[in-house]
Amino acid sequence: EIVMTQSPATLSVSPGERATLSCRASQSVSSNLAWYQQKPGQAPRLLIYGASTRATGIPARFSGSGSGTEFTLTISSLQSEDFAVYYCQQYNNWPQVTFGQGTRLEIK
Amino acid sequence: EVQLVQSGAEVKKPGESLKISCKGSGYSFTSYWIGWVRQMPGKGLEWMGIIYPGDSDTRYSPSFQGQVTISADKSISTAYLQWSSLKASDTAMYYCVVTYSSGWYDYWGQGTLVTVSS
Repeated sequence: EIVMTQSPATLSVSPGERATLSCRASQSVSSNLAWYQQKPGQAPRLLIYGASTRATGIPARFSGSGSGTEFTLTISSLQSEDFAVYYCQQYNNWPQVTFGQGTRLEIK
Repeated sequence: EVQLVQSGAEVKKPGESLKISCKGSGYSFTSYWIGWVRQMPGKGLEWMGIIYPGDSDTRYSPSFQGQVTISADKSISTAYLQWSSLKASDTAMYYCVVTYSSGWYDYWGQGTLVTVSS
């Protein structure tokens, strides 16, 4: 099983600032990496797939980068609605996909 | 508009059986894989299994193989997740998901909360 490790577990950032979230895979997943956002009481929502392609309707302030084992999700200027939990997911070994444990992005 | 509408919350006792559902609309139900994801209270996301409604090809996570059964009725565009004997540790939110790419999960249902308690 490919293990996904996200860091940090919690990130405190002020509105308007940049947030950088990391995700590491235990083995190469090429660019087969997605990011999801989950707000309290809601289902997750797809943000990024293919490591760097924004899903339909996702604002340009969200960007993804990386390949192989190291990936980053960057939110360029945090809005109030961006404070949530973010999960990375590898699908290189589909259907045996695995998720990271999540990073909670909170208001500083 | 793609929609995955799941059945309502359930409260069950250990040992009871349960079948929850997920109705897809707004897309070709038989052409894309539909899966199930577990989220235990306060925890992360775990893939359970996935089915291709077109031919009922079903794959399970090793962690859930033998513990649950996934099925689909393409005549009513509905996928199911069922348990024959629930345990307290099955208490969780369960999401159905659809993948257009056989990769990432494009759409998610609203979730079904299952509570198992004596």
